[in-house]
Amino acid sequence: GENVEQHPSTLSVQEGDSAVIKCTYSDSASNYFPWYKQELGKRPQLIIDIRSNVGEKKDQRIAVTLNKTAKHFSLHITETQPEDSAVYFCAASLEYQFYFGTGTSLTVIP
Amino acid sequence: GAVVSQHPSWVICKSGTSVKIECRSLDFQATTMFWYRQFPKQSLMLMATSNEGSKATYEQGVEKDKFLINHASLTLSTLTVTSAHPEDSSFYICSARPPWTGDYGYTFGSGTRLTVV
Repeated sequence: GENVEQHPSTLSVQEGDSAVIKCTYSDSASNYFPWYKQELGKRPQLIIDIRSNVGEKKDQRIAVTLNKTAKHFSLHITETQPEDSAVYFCAASLEYQFYFGTGTSLTVIP
Repeated sequence: GAVVSQHPSWVICKSGTSVKIECRSLDFQATTMFWYRQFPKQSLMLMATSNEGSKATYEQGVEKDKFLINHASLTLSTLTVTSAHPEDSSFYICSARPPWTGDYGYTFGSGTRLTVV
């Protein structure tokens, strides 16, 4: 199966600063890469995704980049706000099965 | 929007007993559902793929006799944790894809927190 690594495991930023979370994957056949935000005790919520035929995607303050050659993808959050504080998971999808990274606990300090 | 419902949301059971968790797609039919397990402060681990009308496929290392999956209808998949032990305590969550969301539009259920005492 797929192996997804995610860094950093924890991240603290000042409100208004940017946050970057990075993931690598092992299986070059993976072709879909979603990012989820999970608040304590709740279900993961999809915040942005990217497919393997696209290098970058942006949605307001959130952007994702994908480097297929290097097999890594990143989440960028700009102008962070306290409500961005949560655990973020990257995932790689192989045949519609999702393999998740280990998660990044993001804290935005007001 | 599409809703995937799980029941119960939390359950406490004694060691040695079995617990059934239901995952329902409320406004769409799902031929495939996925089951994940999440330990505290850890990632979601794919356990198995539930296929309507056929046997589930399990990820390596997941005991199929311990985690019984039944997908008897297009709107319901169940996960039964048999002979539960404290190490089975975890957050179990399913996901399914509404047909109108595209190939990867999977949505997660609300999750079930299982505590085995």
